[in-house]
Amino acid sequence: DQQVKQNSPSLSVQEGRISILNCDYTNSMFDYFLWYKKYPAEGPTFLISISSIKDKNEDGRFTVFLNKSAKHLSLHIVPSQPGDSAVYFCAASGSETSGSRLTFGEGTQLTVNP
Amino acid sequence: DSGVTQTPKHLITATGQRVTLRCSPRSGDLSVYWYQQSLDQGLQFLIQYYNGEERAKGNILERFSAQQFPDLHSELNLSSLELGDSALYFCASSPTWAGTYEQYFGPGTRLTVT
Repeated sequence: DQQVKQNSPSLSVQEGRISILNCDYTNSMFDYFLWYKKYPAEGPTFLISISSIKDKNEDGRFTVFLNKSAKHLSLHIVPSQPGDSAVYFCAASGSETSGSRLTFGEGTQLTVNP
Repeated sequence: DSGVTQTPKHLITATGQRVTLRCSPRSGDLSVYWYQQSLDQGLQFLIQYYNGEERAKGNILERFSAQQFPDLHSELNLSSLELGDSALYFCASSPTWAGTYEQYFGPGTRLTVT
């Protein structure tokens, strides 16, 4: 039962353009969503998060949008840079009673071409 | 550098053996989480400890166990190892046991069972 899904295994964009990574979830109890970036042979690095009480959160070049009714979130990177090339994971956590375990999507490999 | 440390970085062992993975959380963080990343399963939550107590359990095998010590470092013990246990094992930490806090990941331990 895949509660968090990233349907695009890979995405390729040109340097300077926008990268849009998508994520869907099925569990209505999720109330906090995060994006992580991962390079090979390293641990996931936290990028940005959003609470279910918001629909948008920005941090520099990174913006996360949340559409609760569609159970969909997206990460926008503008402008994209070659150093952004990595695997991006969407993650979600639920209510306080279940602790704060993260449920991850399968990841999307982003390649930014110079 | 997330501030989370894991040792060893690599571990090669034989089937049937037992290994111990070690994790030190970020300074001030009381919660430690263990995740497994295998090729076909993605990042899967195993177990969470908060201030020495087990807080949440995922799909952790009975052959696996963990503990968190008074100095807050944690160890994940894997016994009767099978080929399928070969994976990356990540530790993460956060300030508390629940709520909207991001988790910071260590660099991981790559376990190879031969």
